[in-house]
Amino acid sequence: DAKTTQPPSMDCAEGRAANLPCNHSTISGNEYVYWYRQIHSQGPQYIIHGLKNNETNEMASLIITEDRKSSTLILPHATLRDTAVYYCIVMENNDMRFGAGTRLTVKP
Amino acid sequence: NAGVTQTPKFRILKIGQSMTLQCTQDMNHNYMYWYRQDPGMGLKLIYYSVGAGITDKGEVPNGYNVSRSTTEDFPLRLELAAPSQTSVYFCASSYSDSPNQPQHFGDGTRLSIL
Repeated sequence: DAKTTQPPSMDCAEGRAANLPCNHSTISGNEYVYWYRQIHSQGPQYIIHGLKNNETNEMASLIITEDRKSSTLILPHATLRDTAVYYCIVMENNDMRFGAGTRLTVKP
Repeated sequence: NAGVTQTPKFRILKIGQSMTLQCTQDMNHNYMYWYRQDPGMGLKLIYYSVGAGITDKGEVPNGYNVSRSTTEDFPLRLELAAPSQTSVYFCASSYSDSPNQPQHFGDGTRLSIL
């Protein structure tokens, strides 16, 4: 079973920041937080991951709370092509348990 | 950049038929995985391999077999297709088993069993 909790759906206006929350209150010290997304009919696409520090790459930023019990994925300037299902996953030993994710809809 | 390539993209099978889903990666990754995704659900791990000649069961292995004769290829075999195996199948690979190494996915094989 997935060890994360995400809202089932969210909307975001095009050009605005999309902030996707994830709760992982039972995360252990060695488990990383990963974010993937799945655009309709495609394979999951890796976005970003982190252990305890905030991370940023060309796609997104990942903010992890100090107690590591929750995190937020930030897409700084959402576009229509960012409409997808976003999965938050905690992983320790390559056991990648996907939950239902958050369906993000970016609206013009 | 090919990454992880899966063939075929679509297939329809009759109950009891067999087939092999192909997966190949060109990233020289040691670890490879097979997942299935049922409609509206997350992915479930079927089998994985930590290197050529080594495979192990995941969460839902029943009805499937795998082999890993080379680093690049990790085929998934269905011997006696059943309607419950109608799903989308994803292959993935990663450099190592370190949790700091992301898995990279192919675009999937959509399999219907009628």
